[in-house]
This record gives sequence, structure tokens and C-alpha cells, in this order.
Amino acid sequence: DAGVTQSPTHLIKTRGQHVTLRCSPISGHKSVSWYQQVLGQGPQFIFQYYEKEERGRGNFPDRFSARQFPNYSSELNVNALLLGDSALYLCASSLEQTVVGLFFGSGTQLSVL
Amino acid sequence: DAKTTQPPSMDCAEGRAANLPCNHSTISGNEYVYWYRQIHSQGPQYIIHGLKNNETNEMASLIITEDRKSSTLILPHATLRDTAVYYCIVRVARSGGSNYKLTFGKGTLLTVNP
Repeated sequence: DAGVTQSPTHLIKTRGQHVTLRCSPISGHKSVSWYQQVLGQGPQFIFQYYEKEERGRGNFPDRFSARQFPNYSSELNVNALLLGDSALYLCASSLEQTVVGLFFGSGTQLSVL
Repeated sequence: DAKTTQPPSMDCAEGRAANLPCNHSTISGNEYVYWYRQIHSQGPQYIIHGLKNNETNEMASLIITEDRKSSTLILPHATLRDTAVYYCIVRVARSGGSNYKLTFGKGTLLTVNP
């Protein structure tokens, strides 16, 4: 079975632009979470969606938004990019609302110049 | 979620046991201890979790002290592929239907040397 897939793997943007990152969960998984990981730090929680509804939001500005589609795939959108948004963006999926069996993708490396 | 404290780095010889400590002195009675690891350029990988009793699976063993204020992750025979950042996370298993985020610290960089 395919794991969590994220696209693109790498992305370069300039300040002020917007970006859309995509995630496909493991087949059958209905929950998707997004995390931001800056260099040298652990991942930081951004959003969690379950059954297409937002169930959790981390301490990130409104420039960050996300959604989950009927097929449980998800998009993370970031508007008005700042240099500090440069990071590895990780998507994780699970069968239900539990941290056991939280499966992460390899992430999208975003560089903002 | 309770805060955890881990050493920033550790070394281990290949083939030897790696013992990674974690302090969580403010852990609550309904909070579990979870371990994840992150190999370079990959997403975090779940390893093991426990509440009170020691746990073992195909990857590792988890030893939790009786007072639950600390734990140790044991990799019985470390290999070079076990070189990674190991995260100890403490939280409730289910959060009542909303927001069950994982709170990662900086973790412990385990380097397995040949």
C-alpha cells in the first residue's frame, strides 16, 4: 500500500506569493494533519481535519488555511509568504482521531526567497 | 500536554543497545508516553507508546518508571539505520473528538557509530 504522499517535494517561492501544498492520505484514513518543521526544531502542529471538518488549529496566522476533500486528500494554503515560512511541511494521516498509527509523509520543502 | 525533557544528543556503537531517556515529571494520570523518530529527510515514524507498563514491539522497548515521571526507549541492537532524531511525546490517547495534535520538542539526535 502506498504511504502518505505529498506534492511537490520541493518548492521555491518569493516573498508575497502564495503556495498550495497537497497531501494524499493512506487509503482508508479519514484524518489528515499538517505540521511545519523549521530547521533544527521539531514539527509544529498547524491543522487537523477529520471527515472533511477542521478539528484543530495550531498557533499560526490566518495566512495559513487548509481544506480536506471528499476523497480525504488535503491542501494546505499559505498566502503572502514570508521568509520565515521557509520550512518542511509535513502531512500525517490516521484511521481515526488517535495518535496511535499517525503516519507521516516525507514532506514538502518550501524555500521562500 | 505534559512537557518532556530529552538530552540533545547521544552516541551508540553499532550492535549495542541504545537507551534514550525522557523526563516527564508533570505527566497526568491519563497521559501516555509516545516515541517517534525522524530519519534525515523523512517524516516522523511512530515507534511505541505506553501508559504504565513496560511495552515491547518489533522496533523497541519502552520502560516507564513506577512514578511515571520518566521513561527510557531501548533499541536492543542499534544499527546505522537507527541514526535519527528521537522524540518523546506525552499526551492523552484521545482528546474528546477535537484537536489531538502532537507537541514535538527538539528530541534527541542518536548517532550510531560503526
